[in-house]
Amino acid sequence: QITLKESGPTLVKATQTLTLTCTFSGFSLRTNSVGVGWIRQPPGKALEFLALHYWDDDKRYSPSLKSRLTLTKDTSKNQVVLTMTNMDPVDTATYYCVHSLRYYGSGRAVDAFDVWGQGTKVTVSS
Amino acid sequence: SYALTQPPSVSVSPGQTASITCSGNNLGDIYACWYQQKPGQSPVLVIYQDTKRPSGIPERFSGSNSGNTATLTISGTQAMDEADYYCQAWNSATVVFGGGTRLTVL
Repeated sequence: QITLKESGPTLVKATQTLTLTCTFSGFSLRTNSVGVGWIRQPPGKALEFLALHYWDDDKRYSPSLKSRLTLTKDTSKNQVVLTMTNMDPVDTATYYCVHSLRYYGSGRAVDAFDVWGQGTKVTVSS
Repeated sequence: SYALTQPPSVSVSPGQTASITCSGNNLGDIYACWYQQKPGQSPVLVIYQDTKRPSGIPERFSGSNSGNTATLTISGTQAMDEADYYCQAWNSATVVFGGGTRLTVL
């Protein structure tokens, strides 16, 4: 059974750096086609992709947030860590850690987020 | 940047068929996924690769994708299907989500 759990501060101040840890079990990030990523959702708003760490150490970041995001992994601890610099009140959201699988077919591919963590609420104060 | 557009809301009567659309430029050339999110819960993947259902997702959920539009169809809609639904695709090596559609069963 695949599980993911987010941990980190619930409250940060503007301009500070946010560090969130995703601890997962039930799979290995060394397995082909597997990824661990982060998606956030501001209160009452839509889902927003942040970043994704692949099994082959490739990484993808949201183009609009790329300059503020860094993903690292600790394979021995089954953890993926997201850091986001220069936090602002507009970054207040629930942050989800997700497991992704890549599906191929007809010359196309897609990474689908098939298991989600429970989410962690982060509030940014001014 | 690539955008996916969904209607903000859709209403359906119990037992009827609900259709939720997701529009994007040449969306049919790439794969679409759909997620269901009930209040206070994490999203759940209900459709991937345009038409496939993960294990445990009821057969009444189906998907299609052609041209500029992907569609999530719920046949025989039940009260428990009331939720927000989000489409998702990959474009230019990044993930894009639609703005979400609130499905009301009344």
